[in-house]
Amino acid sequence: DAGITQSPRHKVTETGTPVTLRCHQTENHRYMYWYRQDPGHGLRLIHYSYGVKDTDKGEVSDGYSVSRSKTEDFLLTLESATSSQTSVYFCAISDPTIPTGRAFFGQGTRLTVV
Amino acid sequence: QKEVEQNSGPLSVPEGAIASLNCTYSDRGSQSFFWYRQYSGKSPELIMSIYSNGDKEDGRFTAQLNKASQYVSLLIRDSQPSDSATYLCAVNLIQGAQKLVFGQGTRLTINP
Repeated sequence: DAGITQSPRHKVTETGTPVTLRCHQTENHRYMYWYRQDPGHGLRLIHYSYGVKDTDKGEVSDGYSVSRSKTEDFLLTLESATSSQTSVYFCAISDPTIPTGRAFFGQGTRLTVV
Repeated sequence: QKEVEQNSGPLSVPEGAIASLNCTYSDRGSQSFFWYRQYSGKSPELIMSIYSNGDKEDGRFTAQLNKASQYVSLLIRDSQPSDSATYLCAVNLIQGAQKLVFGQGTRLTINP
């Protein structure tokens, strides 16, 4: 299995509080992604990073920010959590120099905003 | 228009039959196409990747790509109950950086 770890695995938080999710990799992959998964929506891209300090928005970026100060860590922050951000969050990594270009996924973080 | 679209199903197929899953994408410059399988409560796992027009076979799985029609499909032959899962189509969109975008997934159930 690829070395990718998400923390925490489960979190319950209150509306209006800030929340940070962490994705840590040991594969030295260039690309890192944050997705959210909700019933009927598949995986929706929140933000992604193509290098240290290089990030871009996905299709559902409102209310989220990211930071990548080291190759191995990609942080997702909910500035002020809302109930609509209750979801399962997945981190993924990939490296386009690897022939298959495949993405590896973390175990997921289940976030509940009450 | 969504960048990657799938029929969300659910799709129900009898055991031993062929399951056919379809996906369309909007960016003609896309180069890499993937099918992931996701069991309930688990992370997605890659089952097929395809990069050029035509068919690619791996065991009971065949991926088909038609870039002119912007269409990707996955065929599962001799379907087994263990194939029951959600199948996610993914496309690497080349927009400067590579952006990996998924469709909404198709839930497949194989009936014994």
